Amino acid sequence: DIQMTQSPSSMSASLGDRVTITCRASQDIGNYLSWFQQKPGKSPRRMIYGATNLAAGVPSRFSGSRSGSDYSLTISSLESEDMAIYYCLQSIQYLNTFGAGTKLELK
Amino acid sequence: QVQLKESGPGLVQPSQTLSLTCTVSGFSLTSNSVHWVRQPPGKGLEWVGAIWSGGSTDYNSALKSRLSISRDTSKSQVFLKMNSLQTEDTAIYFCTRLDSWGQGVMVTVSS
Repeated sequence: DIQMTQSPSSMSASLGDRVTITCRASQDIGNYLSWFQQKPGKSPRRMIYGATNLAAGVPSRFSGSRSGSDYSLTISSLESEDMAIYYCLQSIQYLNTFGAGTKLELK
Repeated sequence: QVQLKESGPGLVQPSQTLSLTCTVSGFSLTSNSVHWVRQPPGKGLEWVGAIWSGGSTDYNSALKSRLSISRDTSKSQVFLKMNSLQTEDTAIYFCTRLDSWGQGVMVTVSS
């Protein structure tokens, strides 16, 4: 099975900061990578699909990128509503895999 | 409007079978895949399995021997059955099209 190594597991940042979260795939997954945001007590929300495509309704301060087997989610200017846990998901194989999650907190 | 809604028992006894239903609206099961994802209390998301638009299924390797996912397209419903439940299976179970998610159903395995 493909493993997704997500880092960091947690981080704190200030409003207006640029924040980057990364997932590394253990095998080639092409661009079959999505990012999800989950707030406490809520269902996850897809933010990015196809590694770089912004999902409908997602603010433009969110972006996704790829460098080899490393996939990144970047928030260009952190806002208070962005505090959440973020997960990556690979879906190239029929056996999908989530990363372990990154908890983003306000400094 | 795409919607998914999970239903099922909140409490299951150890060694028993869990049966969950996901009722969808706003899209066709014959054109879309539906996934099950679970989340133990205070932990991360775990992909459980999926039923694809053609009706084939795939399961998390760790759960495959205990898991079955099926559907009734006429009723727009997807079903999850998991047997030999243990306390480690206590979790919120979500059904999702990945771009849309149900609210989740909390399942507690306890005697």
